[in-house]
Amino acid sequence: KAGVTQTPRYLIKTRGQQVTLSCSPISGHRSVSWYQQTPGQGLQFLFEYFSETQRNKGNFPGRFSGRQFSNSRSEMNVSTLELGDSALYLCASSLIPGFSNQPQHFGDGTRLSIL
Amino acid sequence: AQTVTQSQPEMSVQEAETVTLSCTYDTSESDYYLFWYKQPPSRQMILVIRQEAYKQQNATENRFSVNFQKAAKSFSLKISDSQLGDAAMYFCAYHTQGGSEKLVFGKGMKLTVNP
Repeated sequence: KAGVTQTPRYLIKTRGQQVTLSCSPISGHRSVSWYQQTPGQGLQFLFEYFSETQRNKGNFPGRFSGRQFSNSRSEMNVSTLELGDSALYLCASSLIPGFSNQPQHFGDGTRLSIL
Repeated sequence: AQTVTQSQPEMSVQEAETVTLSCTYDTSESDYYLFWYKQPPSRQMILVIRQEAYKQQNATENRFSVNFQKAAKSFSLKISDSQLGDAAMYFCAYHTQGGSEKLVFGKGMKLTVNP
């Protein structure tokens, strides 16, 4: 069974640009969550999607957005990039939300660097 | 809001010896889940072990075991017979029971295994 797939693996952008990251969950998983990992702030929750609906959102500005498609694949978008957006963005999937006996499985992440 | 604290940023252990990683958390909830995740240089977050708060018995997974003290809000990870492959960042995480798939992570701890 393939794991969580995140593309691209690395991305370099400049300030002011926008970026879209992609996450394909494990087959059969319907919940997708996104996290930002930085050396200073650690791992912080961005948002969670289930059945194409955003169920929960972390404390990030509106420049950070996401969506989920009918096949459970998810994308996150960051507009007007800032230097502080440089981070590892991790995606995690689980079967259905709210049942932690089915834990989240993480992808390898997308390393985003802002110049 | 829930918080997770890992007070030791780094630890080292000799191969084949035992090491304990500490974690404390703060919550007003009575039912929740706790996890330990491992993140090697490959970046993927790998689930090591999980504990359901309503279970008094400490979870074990092969060489990994936890010491869960609910009243003290403490959740330490013991790694027995340490192996070189155990070297990684270790994150303690809290998961609310029901509803959201949001994980709250500690800052992490870097474990070095010396041959």
